[in-house]
Amino acid sequence: KAGVTQTPRYLIKTRGQQVTLSCSPISGHRSVSWYQQTPGQGLQFLFEYFSETQRNKGNFPGRFSGRQFSNSRSEMNVSTLELGDSALYLCASSLWGRITDTQYFGPGTRLTVL
Amino acid sequence: GQQLNQSPQSMFIQEGEDVSMNCTSSSIFNTWLWYKQDPGEGPVLLIALYKAGELTSNGRLTAQFGITRKDSFLNISASIPSDVGIYFCAGQLSYGGATNKLIFGTGTLLAVQP
Repeated sequence: KAGVTQTPRYLIKTRGQQVTLSCSPISGHRSVSWYQQTPGQGLQFLFEYFSETQRNKGNFPGRFSGRQFSNSRSEMNVSTLELGDSALYLCASSLWGRITDTQYFGPGTRLTVL
Repeated sequence: GQQLNQSPQSMFIQEGEDVSMNCTSSSIFNTWLWYKQDPGEGPVLLIALYKAGELTSNGRLTAQFGITRKDSFLNISASIPSDVGIYFCAGQLSYGGATNKLIFGTGTLLAVQP
C-alpha cells in the first residue's frame, strides 16, 4: 500500500506570492491533517479535513487555507507569503480521524520564502 | 504555538546504552503518542498510549502514560546506530471521539556512537 505522498517536495517562493501544496492520503483514508514544522515553533497543527469539510483548525492566520476533494486528496494554500512561512509542511492521513486511528505522515514539502 | 515540554533536548550515547526521555504538559490529554523523525522524512509513530497508567512496549521501546494524564516517558533499551533521529512526544485531545489535533513536544535529538 502506498504511503502518504506530498508534492512538490521542495519549493522556493518570494514574499507576497502564494503557494499551493498537495497531499495524497493513503488509499481508503478519509481524514487529512496538515502541520507546519519550524525550528523555532516545532510542529504545529494547521487544520484537519474529513469528507471535504474542515473539522478542526489550529491558530494560524487566514492566509493559511485548505480544502479536500471527494477522493480525499487535500491541498493547502498560503497567500501573501511572509519570510516566517518558511517551513516544512507535513500532511498526515488516517482512516476516520478518530482518536484511536494512527496518523501516517508524508515526507513533507520544504517551503523557502525569500 | 503550544508545545509540550520534552527533555532532554539532546542525547549523545554509546551503542548498547539505554535511553530515557520524557514529556510533560500543563494540560490533560486522552492519548499520548511517541514519534521518530529521520532527516528528510515525516514523523513515524512508535507507540500509542490510550489509558492513564498504561505501559506499552514495542520491541526495545517502552512507553508509559502518566497517571495524572499530563506526562509520558519513552525508554529505549540497548540502543543501536539506527535509533539516531529526533523523537517527539505528542498529546491528543478528543472532542466527541473524533479529533486529529496533535500537540507535539519540543523533540529529543538522539545520537548513537557505534
